[in-house]
Amino acid sequence: GESVGLHLPTLSVQEGDNSIINCAYSNSASDYFIWYKQESGKGPQFIIDIRSNMDKRQGQRVTVLLNKTVKHLSLQIAATQPGDSAVYFCAEKVNDMRFGAGTRLTVKP
Amino acid sequence: GAGVSQSPRYKVAKRGQDVALRCDPISGHVSLFWYQQALGQGPEFLTYFQNEAQLDKSGLPSDRFFAERPEGSVSTLKIQRTQQEDSAVYLCASSWDRGYEQYFGPGTRLTVT
Repeated sequence: GESVGLHLPTLSVQEGDNSIINCAYSNSASDYFIWYKQESGKGPQFIIDIRSNMDKRQGQRVTVLLNKTVKHLSLQIAATQPGDSAVYFCAEKVNDMRFGAGTRLTVKP
Repeated sequence: GAGVSQSPRYKVAKRGQDVALRCDPISGHVSLFWYQQALGQGPEFLTYFQNEAQLDKSGLPSDRFFAERPEGSVSTLKIQRTQQEDSAVYLCASSWDRGYEQYFGPGTRLTVT
């Protein structure tokens, strides 16, 4: 079936570096995408979203890029901080939210 | 303001027992969702309510799973005759409407022994 997935299960970066987390999706009907951050013992927390009529959206230190041609979504975190260490999920919405398996980001001081 | 709350935070059940998990959504949120999150996996959709109406229960894994939201606010997810494969974190989320950002609670970690 169609699903959301991630290229890498883990990512380790040095504090201050930029991080890029990738996500592939296969449902061409998806019209809304969200990146969530989940810290240990907590529920997912909204980071940034993007609709399918956009290619790029920027927030505070975060940017989401959407490439509909290759069905690829990425989350860029600028100047990564130790507090950014968490599992990051991309999610796509057609009728309901479908989550990928997640990428664990570890920030080394 | 208060976010989504869930109780209990942790639940240990013997196989075969029934459990009830509670979700208090953000006040005024019309939509309420339940998800199941296995260890190391992303949340999997279980069911969706709009006010008191359960509009989608396509994700419920078996007829042992039952959810309700009788007054359109608090919701309860009930699992009957728990099995070991039911062990997971159960997340509740609410939003103004189905197409809007969902706010998640901290989850209930269910362990079936």
